Amino acid sequence: GQNIDQPTEMTATEGAIVQINCTYQTSGFNGLFWYQQHAGEAPTFLSYNVLDGLEEKGRFSSFLSRSKGYSYLLLKELQMKDSASYLCAVTDSNYQLIWGAGTKLIIKP
Amino acid sequence: GAVVSQHPSWVICKSGTSVKIECRSLDFQATTMFWYRQFPKQSLMLMATSNEGSKATYEQGVEKDKFLINHASLTLSTLTVTSAHPEDSSFYICSVARHEGPYEQYFGPGTRLTVT
Repeated sequence: GQNIDQPTEMTATEGAIVQINCTYQTSGFNGLFWYQQHAGEAPTFLSYNVLDGLEEKGRFSSFLSRSKGYSYLLLKELQMKDSASYLCAVTDSNYQLIWGAGTKLIIKP
Repeated sequence: GAVVSQHPSWVICKSGTSVKIECRSLDFQATTMFWYRQFPKQSLMLMATSNEGSKATYEQGVEKDKFLINHASLTLSTLTVTSAHPEDSSFYICSVARHEGPYEQYFGPGTRLTVT
């Protein structure tokens, strides 16, 4: 079967750095996405990785290792507004998007 | 990106009635749209894939006669929750995807349905 694992919840301090991990087992791979979802709102696109390595976009970076079936989202200089759920999703060989359950990130002052 | 709208943003209805939710792709023609449901504190659950001009593809466990999907044009898909019950109360979100890479999905703002 297809499976995506990410921690259910994480807590971090304002101004700090946090890394949210995602591991996947899917039938084929055509890219990995990270989305941010604030409570009561729809998800918004954060990043896309299809090749191994680190993609940096401002305070957010996303890393991919296809051989390990592993990705992480790195958030730097955390702000209170970063409190949200972070969803990892993988596109499989049929271009179906398989969703993780999401990681709820709590930022404390 | 892509701009996706949903209407209504929230709706309260009585048990047994039907509710229609619209999803519009405002800046490109979407041959495929997706409908998700999300219960409080849970992840997104794909309900169905809506294909323009053809029948929707429903995920396992989703009743196609209860959740009617119509994708009549390249910019509009509708989800009708028929004979709604309190357990159908949820956050319904649609998304559109481009058919050229990287196939990311762009989400509408969601519709919160409460059935009393």
